[in-house]
Amino acid sequence: EPEVTQTPSHQVTQMGQEVILRCVPISNHLYFYWYRQILGQKVEFLVSFYNNEISEKSEIFDDQFSVERPDGSNFTLKIRSTKLEDSAMYFCASTLREGGRYGYTFGSGTRLTVV
Amino acid sequence: RKEVEQDPGPFNVPEGATVAFNCTYSNSASQSFFWYRQDCRKEPKLLMSVYSSGNEDGRFTAQLNRASQYISLLIRDSKLSDSATYLCVVTGAGGTSYGKLTFGQGTILTVHP
Repeated sequence: EPEVTQTPSHQVTQMGQEVILRCVPISNHLYFYWYRQILGQKVEFLVSFYNNEISEKSEIFDDQFSVERPDGSNFTLKIRSTKLEDSAMYFCASTLREGGRYGYTFGSGTRLTVV
Repeated sequence: RKEVEQDPGPFNVPEGATVAFNCTYSNSASQSFFWYRQDCRKEPKLLMSVYSSGNEDGRFTAQLNRASQYISLLIRDSKLSDSATYLCVVTGAGGTSYGKLTFGQGTILTVHP
């Protein structure tokens, strides 16, 4: 079964450092997303991406965050200057078509720990 | 009112039991509805989409009531492997929000022998 792959699985970084989280969506999918889940809390939407541009972003996705699809297969999330409160599990997701019965496939996540 | 609200749980049931989860959502224009399950510290995995007419997949039955903005999931003949957190998920109303998933807090289910 096709899957969304994310690397690394766990990243520890010092406050103020830049991190890049990487994702390889399912190859024929067209819509890509980043979500995050702080420990013990619900999954929260960060950003959606289609046709090489951001479709929508949440209030969480401020100027410290950026996304890129540099080469047609990878989809990255960059956090420019990490804060302690950025510690969370970050999930990448993709889908062929939005809504309806297609569902959204999530990667196994990157656990980001900011110290 | 929370965008997506679920039964607080946790539910602790014996194998073979039937258990039902409820969910309400606040945006009447929401287009699509799903149940996902999430195992501890893992990614959400699609359990089933929820259709207006209701739908069934093996031991799982989902119902949608758009008028009441209410979604339910029924699990029959619970197995130990059903132990997980069940997430009610709703998409946006349309346009660029169509792909944005809004998650409920989740309901923890533990099935014991």
